Amino acid sequence: DQQVKQNSPSLSVQEGRISILNCDYTNSMFDYFLWYKKYPAEGPTFLISISSIKDKNEDGRFTVFLNKSAKHLSLHIVPSQPGDSAVYFCAAIAVTGTYKYIFGTGTRLKVLA
Amino acid sequence: DGGITQSPKYLFRKEGQNVTLSCEQNLNHDAMYWYRQDPGQGLRLIYYSQIVNDFQKGDIAEGYSVSREKKESFPLTVTSAQKNPTAFYLCASSIHGQGATSYGYTFGSGTRLTVV
Repeated sequence: DQQVKQNSPSLSVQEGRISILNCDYTNSMFDYFLWYKKYPAEGPTFLISISSIKDKNEDGRFTVFLNKSAKHLSLHIVPSQPGDSAVYFCAAIAVTGTYKYIFGTGTRLKVLA
Repeated sequence: DGGITQSPKYLFRKEGQNVTLSCEQNLNHDAMYWYRQDPGQGLRLIYYSQIVNDFQKGDIAEGYSVSREKKESFPLTVTSAQKNPTAFYLCASSIHGQGATSYGYTFGSGTRLTVV
């Protein structure tokens, strides 16, 4: 049972335009959501997080939106840069659980110069 | 600099052999995790440990074993019972408790294991 889903395995965007990566979840008990960025042959690095009590969190070019009623979150990157080309994972965790994040399957973003 | 170190970066194993992947952290994190990444399957949890001398199975623990004798170290052994061990293995650590939720994990740079 995949509790966190990223239905788009890949996305291509022109440099300077907006990249929108989507993530859906099924567990209404999730309290925090995170986005990680991963380059090939490297470990994922933390990008941005959002608490379930908020609907938006912004950090520079990166904004995460949370729609709890739809159980959907999205990561917006504006403007997109070639260095943003990577695999992006969303992850979720329930505080009442065992502090294990549940990861999505990832979306490969390619920013075209 | 604080961080989490995985070694080796590349590892080759003959079929039928056990092999141990190293993971060391100097972040003073209580919890440590092992994930496996396969193409199109995201990150799947193998084992995790929230305290020294204690660990739990994740979603795909069969064919793997771990130990947690020191807070800094969480080695993973891929045994000959693991049917398809070729993959990219990631170790991670986190602060145990509330702090783990918004800060997430710190990941190592990974070990690519290939069975030859």
